[in-house]
Amino acid sequence: SYVLTQPPSVSVAPGKTATITCGGNTIGSKTVHWYQQKPGQAPVLVIYYDSDRPSGIPERFSASNSGNTATLTISRVEAGDEADYYCQVWDSTSDHVVFGGGTKLTVL
Amino acid sequence: EVQLLESGGGLVQPGGSLRLSCAASGLTFSSYAMSWVRQAPGKGLEWVLVISGREGGTSYADSVKGRFTISRDNSKNTLFLQMNSLRAEDTAVYYCATRGAGNTGPFDNWGQGTLVTVSS
Repeated sequence: SYVLTQPPSVSVAPGKTATITCGGNTIGSKTVHWYQQKPGQAPVLVIYYDSDRPSGIPERFSASNSGNTATLTISRVEAGDEADYYCQVWDSTSDHVVFGGGTKLTVL
Repeated sequence: EVQLLESGGGLVQPGGSLRLSCAASGLTFSSYAMSWVRQAPGKGLEWVLVISGREGGTSYADSVKGRFTISRDNSKNTLFLQMNSLRAEDTAVYYCATRGAGNTGPFDNWGQGTLVTVSS
């Protein structure tokens, strides 16, 4: 089965840039979505189709996808960005949706 | 505004059954594929099942195949999850979510979740 690998945690100071990676075999050939989940809340879509932002998501959130790694970048990080972030793809071989294990973003 | 409201969660003994519902509003329900995603306490997101909009085609995660069944009533804008032969490892918050167009679409709307606890 297809596996997505994320770092368990990333820490960043306010105002700096956070980078969260999502590794998978030839993930660049797949479509990647990213979700933000704050404690006690449902996930929220923050990036879809590799790099598009839903309405209401700040421009500080951006993403890319190439080769074996997809990347979520959060610029000018704010305290309110502290959350768990998940990448997600659809694996055509198994017809299954796959989530990464999640990355906890801590704002120092 | 799209709203998804799950219900039916609770405490059930191992081997028991439970039926979850997800009432949808603010969207043309039959046009959307719908999915259940669960999250065990302190763990990450796990996709469970998906059902297409009109045709009703389904796909299941291996962990629930043969035990869980997803269905929908488009006339009532409601999604269901029938869970049988429940195990302790099925304990989780269960979210329903809409999926964007096609198999590669994102989960763009989520409910608030309903907690299922499997324990004796």
